[in-house]
Amino acid sequence: LAKTTQPISMDSYEGQEVNITCSHNNIATNDYITWYQQFPSQGPRFIIQGYKTKVTNEVASLFIPADRKSSTLSLPRVSLSDTAVYYCLVGDMRSGYSTLTFGKGTMLLVSP
Amino acid sequence: ETGVTQSPTHLIKTRGQQVTLRCSSQSGHNTVSWYQQALGQGPQFIFQYYREEENGRGNFPPRFSGLQFPNYSSELNVNALELDDSALYLCASSLYRTGALYEQYFGPGTRLTVT
Repeated sequence: LAKTTQPISMDSYEGQEVNITCSHNNIATNDYITWYQQFPSQGPRFIIQGYKTKVTNEVASLFIPADRKSSTLSLPRVSLSDTAVYYCLVGDMRSGYSTLTFGKGTMLLVSP
Repeated sequence: ETGVTQSPTHLIKTRGQQVTLRCSSQSGHNTVSWYQQALGQGPQFIFQYYREEENGRGNFPPRFSGLQFPNYSSELNVNALELDDSALYLCASSLYRTGALYEQYFGPGTRLTVT
């Protein structure tokens, strides 16, 4: 499984756009990039998933360059409720045996 | 559609005891995975069940065992509890279909404290 590296923490203010970058130099051809959000004492929640270029949903955007060795989660106009830990994961999401390998994630703190 | 549920919410056990944690998968899902999350760490994969068979296992000793039932609900059993077993135990369910992308849906977790 490809290892990921992301910042331990980030600070932002309400209304700002937040970009969290994840490095995954050893990503394999069949690997997808998935981001999860976790609030204290809750299970992680799926945010977005992509393979290449750009993916956008109602919550976030995911930018993946052509070499796929990194990815950036973009959260537009964050609010206080976006304060959480964000995990970047890389793996083959079509495999019958596919587990999620979590790192320590990025703790995002949004202030008023 | 019912989400993933886990029971109990909290549990306190003594070192050496045994514990059983339960998980009900999201409706329509056929795969369940269990994770252990220590304070300040990301979830660590314990094992996964598909069609009532263990489909993969992380770096956890045999005293961690599980079951998946025909209705796709699941149990995690831990024998001979150790203090380091204190953690949030997360269950995640998913629908595996050949060739299709899938995502895991997590339950709220069970907070286990071993004293």
